Amino acid sequence: EPEVTQTPSHQVTQMGQEVILRCVPISNHLYFYWYRQILGQKVEFLVSFYNNEISEKSEIFDDQFSVERPDGSNFTLKIRSTKLEDSAMYFCASSEQGPRNTEAFFGQGTRLTVV
Amino acid sequence: SQELEQSPQSLIVQEGKNLTINCTSSKTLYGLYWYKQKYGEGLIFLMMLQKGGEEKSHEKITAKLDEKKQQSSLHITASQPSHAGIYLCGADSGNQFYFGTGTSLTVIP
Repeated sequence: EPEVTQTPSHQVTQMGQEVILRCVPISNHLYFYWYRQILGQKVEFLVSFYNNEISEKSEIFDDQFSVERPDGSNFTLKIRSTKLEDSAMYFCASSEQGPRNTEAFFGQGTRLTVV
Repeated sequence: SQELEQSPQSLIVQEGKNLTINCTSSKTLYGLYWYKQKYGEGLIFLMMLQKGGEEKSHEKITAKLDEKKQQSSLHITASQPSHAGIYLCGADSGNQFYFGTGTSLTVIP
């Protein structure tokens, strides 16, 4: 069964360093998303991406964050200069159509720990 | 603002018991999604409800959406330890999905 895959599963980084979280969405999906979940808190929307551009972003998704689809399969989230408060589980998701028409499928997440 | 309220926040039940989780929105929803999250893992899609009054079932889990499309309930019949996890209701706002705070379910064998 097709699935969204994320790498790495766990990343530890020093404050101020850049990190890139990688995702391979389901192959025929056109919409891509990043979410984060701080330990014990709700799943928060970061950004949605369609047709090679950002569709929507939240207040959390500031200038430190960027997304890219560098080739036909990968979808990445870059955090330029990590802060302690960026420590969270980051989930990538994809959907075949837009959110009004279909469900999103989520990856297993990347646990980011900033020290 | 887009808010989904879930109740209860946590639930502990004996194996074999039935249970219900509720999700309420202050706005009429276009669609309502239920996901399950095992601790420290990703979200697993359970069901999507789009029509007022719609009801869907999968194995022992039944989800309903009210006629006004503002409230949904998730009902588990004869709960098993495999049902344990966090249940999240979600909705869409055009370009994104957003989620409730979750209901943590523990099933005691």
